[in-house]
Formats: sequence, structure tokens, C-alpha cells
Amino acid sequence: DADVTQTPRNRITKTGKRIMLECSQTKGHDRMYWYRQDPGLGLQLIYYSFDVKDINKGEISDGYSVSRQAQAKFSLSLESAIPNQTALYFCATSPGTAQLETQYFGPGTRLLVL
Amino acid sequence: GDSVTQMEGPVTLSEEAFLTINCTYTATGYPSLFWYVQYPGEGLQLLLKATKADDKGSNKGFEATYRKETTSFHLEKGSVQVSDSAVYFCALRKAGNTPLVFGKGTRLSVIA
Repeated sequence: DADVTQTPRNRITKTGKRIMLECSQTKGHDRMYWYRQDPGLGLQLIYYSFDVKDINKGEISDGYSVSRQAQAKFSLSLESAIPNQTALYFCATSPGTAQLETQYFGPGTRLLVL
Repeated sequence: GDSVTQMEGPVTLSEEAFLTINCTYTATGYPSLFWYVQYPGEGLQLLLKATKADDKGSNKGFEATYRKETTSFHLEKGSVQVSDSAVYFCALRKAGNTPLVFGKGTRLSVIA
């Protein structure tokens, strides 16, 4: 089984709808991240969480919110989806504070906002 | 702020060709440097990493050397294969509670 799972893998929604993307991990890591990927723009950090009580905004948090329900779960919400939020969304985890630590990525959620 | 600049793609090579993907960074202090790879339809995975000047990271035939004097971490492979076709991301991380900073990625296509 995959260590970092994302649901759904694909989602089509309409402008103005609220949607939630979910991320679960079995790696026991404290740190979790949400990124979006757009062609030619690489990965942009939306939010990150260093533990259940610690949530931080990334470089593009406007229009998004997150919830860290447990160490293993980190959800991303779009309160009112708009077409320019169409992108590929990745969740990632990492174990702690070591500078050389690896981030582990989920398979991604492809979101289309009509 | 901290940033990573990669050569723009796409890069198209024939099988067994030599690969270089340039990466330079801007950061204060002494960041750790990484290369991640994204194969088609998958999430990113770590390819190699280095933590200090002159360190060389290597994996799967790929290498990159941390050059502090030129603030660079160029990715190289002596003989690419079709299976190396992917998007490659250079990234840095500083000490403390800071997330990774990624470059924009370079798409590599290797043709037989």
C-alpha cells in the first residue's frame, strides 16, 4: 500500500462549489504539505503543517484552507472554487527537522474547475 | 527571498546521450540541495541530495555536485535511457523550520 494517499485522484467541479481534497499518510511523519503544480510554474506551496497544532501559510494560500485532523490526515479545501484553481495538487510528508530530510509525495489529485 | 533557477525545457535527447540540467540557487547561509524527479502520472520522488560545499549526490547514474562558489547544483548523467524521461526539479532547504523551495522543473524526453 502507498505511504501517502490522496483522494480523490481526479475531480471535476463547477465554479463556486466547495470541495475538499484529502491526504492520508502511514509514514508516521509529523510534517505535511500541500502543493499545486501548474505547467511551467513548477510546484507552489499552499500550506504546511509541522504538527497537529501548527499550520502555516505558503506562498499561494489565498482561496484555500486546510485542516490537520490528526497526525496522519491533512485536508485541503477550496471554499468557492474558481477556474484558475484548475491544477494538479500534491500532498507531501517529511519526518522532522533535519535539513537533509526527504519529502515523500502522494500521487496527486487532478482538479478541473469549470 | 530564497529561490532556485533551472534551465527551461523541454530537453530532448537521444538514448545514450550526455545529460546536463543546470540549477543555480539564491539563499543566505548554507542550504541543503536536492534533485527530485517526477515520472509521468506520478508524484515527485527524491533523486539525490547534498548538504555542504563539494558534496556529490548520486543515484541511478545521476550525479550533482554542490558548488558554493557558483551557487550551483547541476544534474548530470553520462548516458540517458528512455526510462529517464521525466520532469526534474531542483530544490533547496535551509536549516530550521523551513519547507523546500523548488525550481520550476525541467522536462526531459529521451527518444530511442
